[in-house]
Amino acid sequence: LAKTTQPISMDSYEGQEVNITCSHNNIATNDYITWYQQFPSQGPRFIIQGYKTKVTNEVASLFIPADRKSSTLSLPRVSLSDTAVYYCLFASGSARQLTFGSGTQLTVLP
Amino acid sequence: DGGITQSPKYLFRKEGQNVTLSCEQNLNHDAMYWYRQDPGQGLRLIYYSQIVNDFQKGDIAEGYSVSREKKESFPLTVTSAQKNPTAFYLCASSPHGYGYTFGSGTRLTVV
Repeated sequence: LAKTTQPISMDSYEGQEVNITCSHNNIATNDYITWYQQFPSQGPRFIIQGYKTKVTNEVASLFIPADRKSSTLSLPRVSLSDTAVYYCLFASGSARQLTFGSGTQLTVLP
Repeated sequence: DGGITQSPKYLFRKEGQNVTLSCEQNLNHDAMYWYRQDPGQGLRLIYYSQIVNDFQKGDIAEGYSVSREKKESFPLTVTSAQKNPTAFYLCASSPHGYGYTFGSGTRLTVV
């Protein structure tokens, strides 16, 4: 099974840019990299997905280097409400088993 | 609005009792999944189903059972064989494995 490695926790202050990196040495050719956000006692919420280079949407950017062995989620100007756990995982065209890592607990301080 | 509905939100089970958690989706997604989450930990896959009348075991299937009689529904039964069932249970669906949509979860407590 494909595995991902992320920092366990990160702290930031309101208004700062936060970058969370995920390592995935054994990513497959047809895997997309996907990031989710989870608040306590809620289901994870899709943030962004990409295959290579850079993807940007209204809430985040995703940077993927050419070798695709890592990816970085960038959250611009975080606020207190961005305090959550962030997960990266792979998604491919087949509904095979996927394993969530333990995620990164981001705490935004005032 | 399309989405996934899990019920109940909270569920209490007595020792030795089977309970069934409901998961319904109206997104027309082919694949559906059940995950378990324990405090401070990530999600672990219990079962998944790619099509109606077919499902596969995940990493921690022991003590659980599922059915997929309709595309929209994927109920999870927590049996008495599951020795430590207290956890947060999440249902998800996806179109061909890309982009999960999650329900709001069911918190199961053994009393």
